[in-house]
Amino acid sequence: GENVGLHLPTLSVQEGDNSIINCAYSNSASDYFIWYKQESGKGPQFIIDIRSNMDKRQGQRVTVLLNKTVKHLSLQIAATQPGDSAVYFCAEVTSGSARQLTFGSGTQLTVLP
Amino acid sequence: ETGVTQSPTHLIKTRGQQVTLRCSSQSGHNTVSWYQQALGQGPQFIFQYYREEENGRGNFPPRFSGLQFPNYSSELNVNALELDDSALYLCASKAGVEGDTEAFFGQGTRLTVV
Repeated sequence: GENVGLHLPTLSVQEGDNSIINCAYSNSASDYFIWYKQESGKGPQFIIDIRSNMDKRQGQRVTVLLNKTVKHLSLQIAATQPGDSAVYFCAEVTSGSARQLTFGSGTQLTVLP
Repeated sequence: ETGVTQSPTHLIKTRGQQVTLRCSSQSGHNTVSWYQQALGQGPQFIFQYYREEENGRGNFPPRFSGLQFPNYSSELNVNALELDDSALYLCASKAGVEGDTEAFFGQGTRLTVV
């Protein structure tokens, strides 16, 4: 992922609306992808994952879409709630590595009342 | 709460000093990874330990070193601290290195170098 310095991309949505957070990953050899949520003062929290042999996976209120052709991931959050306000990171795991996480730059999601 | 605990939560050090950060992994997890997260950026992989041996390292200089103990807890040591080492240091634990199991993160140690 690319670092964007001190300026995170931001997304503001109205409570109850759906949110879509996008991520471009860097390595075509990556075969496993995870979305994390990070609230202020806390460590990243696992939301949902997807393997490269899939293009869509659904969880509770969340859906991850994977487009390997353009190396793009998206996280869709349905009926966004105030508790969803946080920074969201995508992370990729590359085949043949120590399976470490390579994080993208993150998106700050703000849910408006 | 993930069951991964880090200490201390906050720390202030002077440039040139050495620091040791500690991590207790979640019960049953034998793999620990360390990440550095600068303000406004995503976490960057430092290294990973599996059964007391380093089995992966990111692009960090040798003054970043670590240990894993028989109970799978881990330490991150940083020598000759530089101002740019100021960051949130995150520890993550998981069960095993083969396959992809969920990694659980601690709350981090906020290190400030002055």
